[in-house]
Amino acid sequence: DQQVKQNSPSLSVQEGRISILNCDYTNSMFDYFLWYKKYPAEGPTFLISISSIKDKNEDGRFTVFLNKSAKHLSLHIVPSQPGDSAVYFCAARGSSNTGKLIFGQGTTLQVKP
Amino acid sequence: KAGVTQTPRYLIKTRGQQVTLSCSPISGHRSVSWYQQTPGQGLQFLFEYFSETQRNKGNFPGRFSGRQFSNSRSEMNVSTLELGDSALYLCASSLGSTGGGHEQYFGPGTRLTVT
Repeated sequence: DQQVKQNSPSLSVQEGRISILNCDYTNSMFDYFLWYKKYPAEGPTFLISISSIKDKNEDGRFTVFLNKSAKHLSLHIVPSQPGDSAVYFCAARGSSNTGKLIFGQGTTLQVKP
Repeated sequence: KAGVTQTPRYLIKTRGQQVTLSCSPISGHRSVSWYQQTPGQGLQFLFEYFSETQRNKGNFPGRFSGRQFSNSRSEMNVSTLELGDSALYLCASSLGSTGGGHEQYFGPGTRLTVT
């Protein structure tokens, strides 16, 4: 049972435009959500996170939005840069006070110059 | 501050053998989690150690085990290797405290190939 889903395997955007990556989840007990970027043969790099008590968190070019009623979160990258091209994973914390993250399958973002 | 380190980076083993992977967390981090990444299953949680105790466990067979030392360094062991164990094994560390610090920081991973 896939509790965290990223339904778009890939996304292509033009440099300077906005990239929007989406993620859906099924478990209403998730209390913390994170986004990671991953290059081939490297470990995931933490980007931004959001607690379930908030609906928005911003860090530079990255903003994460959380819609709890829809069980949906999204990552906005503005403006997109070619160096942002990578696989993006959303993750949810499985239960309170644990180090168990449940990951989506990832979305490959390509930013074209 | 040094990041999460994992050794070895690459490993080739034969079916039936066992393997031990090592992870050194970021200084001050007490929680270490292990994940397996494969093309078909994505990133799957193996287990988490906090203060030398296993705090959480994923749905993997008993052939997968781990431990954590007093300096927070962690090892994971896979016994009786199978071809399907070929994967990238990732270690992540975090503060693990109740007040915050939930972000996990990953190491570069160990690429295990079972032949």
